[in-house]
Amino acid sequence: KNEVEQSPQNLTAQEGEFITINCSYSVGISALHWLQQHPGGGIVSLFMLSSGKKKHGRLIATINIQEKHSSLHITASHPRDSAVYICAARFLGNTDKLIFGTGTRLQVFP
Amino acid sequence: DSGVTQTPKHLITATGQRVTLRCSPRSGDLSVYWYQQSLDQGLQFLIQYYNGEERAKGNILERFSAQQFPDLHSELNLSSLELGDSALYFCASSVDIGNEQFFGPGTRLTVL
Repeated sequence: KNEVEQSPQNLTAQEGEFITINCSYSVGISALHWLQQHPGGGIVSLFMLSSGKKKHGRLIATINIQEKHSSLHITASHPRDSAVYICAARFLGNTDKLIFGTGTRLQVFP
Repeated sequence: DSGVTQTPKHLITATGQRVTLRCSPRSGDLSVYWYQQSLDQGLQFLIQYYNGEERAKGNILERFSAQQFPDLHSELNLSSLELGDSALYFCASSVDIGNEQFFGPGTRLTVL
């Protein structure tokens, strides 16, 4: 069965801390997406990756295909990073259908 | 701003009614996706269109239907609405199959 699991479900941090959110999936994928959803509801695509590592500003996403695991890191966290972070997998043979994790709610306090 | 637009932003209606949600993809994007986000089910893929043709189907109820028009905008029709259909409905678009998807702001549907 194609499944995506995220941890932790909730995360609180002090401003400046290094944050890691984890995502694991059940079978082979063609791509993994990291999304950010702000309290207003809008969804922003952060990364799409199928191997290795990608970096954008203070955000870093890594994926280990053999271990079926991806991580999203936020360096020097800031209150504006407070949001729900969602990973979504496109499983092999499933064309473009995304299966979503349940999300990680991050709160960063000043 | 992702470049994907959705209307309306909010919709309040009654059980049994029918509504139409509209999505305009980013300029040049051929693929449109519809997703439903409810409190108990999270985000779920509903359906995908590519250049006017249905390409993939997910957990879309028979009461729901969608289409993509020649100008590439898409509509999601929800009929015989039930309380449980209350959710955020997102549209996303991508330039081609397998590319990064860009999400619209969503339509919040409330069924009373």
